[in-house]
Amino acid sequence: EVQLLESGGGLVQPGGSLRLSCTASGFTFSNYLMTWIRQTPGNGLEWVSGIGRTTYYADSVKGRFTISRDNPKNTLFLQMNGLRAEDTAVYYCAAYCLTNNCQVGKFDPWGQGTLVTVSS
Amino acid sequence: DIQMTQSPSSLSASEGDRVTITCRASQSIGSHLCWYQQKPGKAPNLLIYSISTLQTGVPSRFSASGSGTYFTLTISGLQPEDFATYFCQQSSDFPLTFGQGTKVEI
Repeated sequence: EVQLLESGGGLVQPGGSLRLSCTASGFTFSNYLMTWIRQTPGNGLEWVSGIGRTTYYADSVKGRFTISRDNPKNTLFLQMNGLRAEDTAVYYCAAYCLTNNCQVGKFDPWGQGTLVTVSS
Repeated sequence: DIQMTQSPSSLSASEGDRVTITCRASQSIGSHLCWYQQKPGKAPNLLIYSISTLQTGVPSRFSASGSGTYFTLTISGLQPEDFATYFCQQSSDFPLTFGQGTKVEI
């Protein structure tokens, strides 16, 4: 079964740090460009970051968040530093496209999400 | 950045109705358009990619079309399980962007 499982969310104070993990199973993780997407309490979806042969970031997180991966362990990470109240959201990981052929990009599958709350 | 604008933001419909949701891109995105369905408390689920290709397992009552900057998602014969929120998303260029969502309510 194809599955993604996020962990690492929680409550953190403004300015604090958190590291999210996403463990994949059921597909060849190393072949895929992987992404993080977040959904705010107002329900909007925002793509945050992606990693394939290179890394990609939304302007809203550039310089504060770092995406990385451990292919032998089938795990994706998101290191979040300098957290702000506006970073409060459910964070999802999702596969996006094949690293060596990204002609068709689509978020599938998705993990179940992990909640990050930034508050004092 | 490519802006995606959906309309309406919500709609009320009955079982068996035909509903259409529109999505406009701020610039041409070719065929790089996806649709997702999200139910409360769950992650979004891919319905359609490349404008009109149904993901495996998606019922044929879902269809989609469009080109360039204007796209539509149609559900023909709403079923109880279709009441959800639908998002469009462009995969033409980074940053990848979503529409704000359309909530289909009873």
